[in-house]
Amino acid sequence: RKEVEQDPGPFNVPEGATVAFNCTYSNSASQSFFWYRQDCRKEPKLLMSVYSSGNEDGRFTAQLNRASQYISLLIRDSKLSDSATYLCVPRRGKLIFGQGTELSVKP
Amino acid sequence: DGGITQSPKYLFRKEGQNVTLSCEQNLNHDAMYWYRQDPGQGLRLIYYSQIVNDFQKGDIAEGYSVSREKKESFPLTVTSAQKNPTAFYLCASSVRDMGEQLFFGSGTQLSVL
Repeated sequence: RKEVEQDPGPFNVPEGATVAFNCTYSNSASQSFFWYRQDCRKEPKLLMSVYSSGNEDGRFTAQLNRASQYISLLIRDSKLSDSATYLCVPRRGKLIFGQGTELSVKP
Repeated sequence: DGGITQSPKYLFRKEGQNVTLSCEQNLNHDAMYWYRQDPGQGLRLIYYSQIVNDFQKGDIAEGYSVSREKKESFPLTVTSAQKNPTAFYLCASSVRDMGEQLFFGSGTQLSVL
């Protein structure tokens, strides 16, 4: 089993929709995570850090479910500019990235 | 402005040739990393360095080499032993050790002629 697995997508949603995708992890010692956003052929940029209590930043909410070993990212009121690939990373060790979830927001 | 500079943006390699990708940072970060990204895939760690004159292999180090002679610089050489070098290469740095936020350069697309 891979250390980090993500829904590959693509998720195609209309503007204004709410969308959520998950990232599962195998190492139970992971207690916090990063979500990065990556535009096509650009560098990843930090979206948010996620701790046991979760995190919320505007339209973005991330939650950690330690019992089931996954983290989720919820995006409300999707914008066209949210179209990107979202990468999750357990915040420990060598920072193993998931393969990313592609989101496409359509007009 | 502080940041990480990668060059060149595009690079072409002939068969049997070694090529070097440049990575420079002025963030005063101790740790630096090289990742490889293939289409539709996440980032895979090639090499990392947590201090000058020291570096460690990542998950896919075969066919690559690095040096860390200065804190600011972490060049990656793709050798002729790397048989499938076509990929997007990303350099990153973090303040100290692993598990911290990564700051990325803008990447180098390497292709084989």
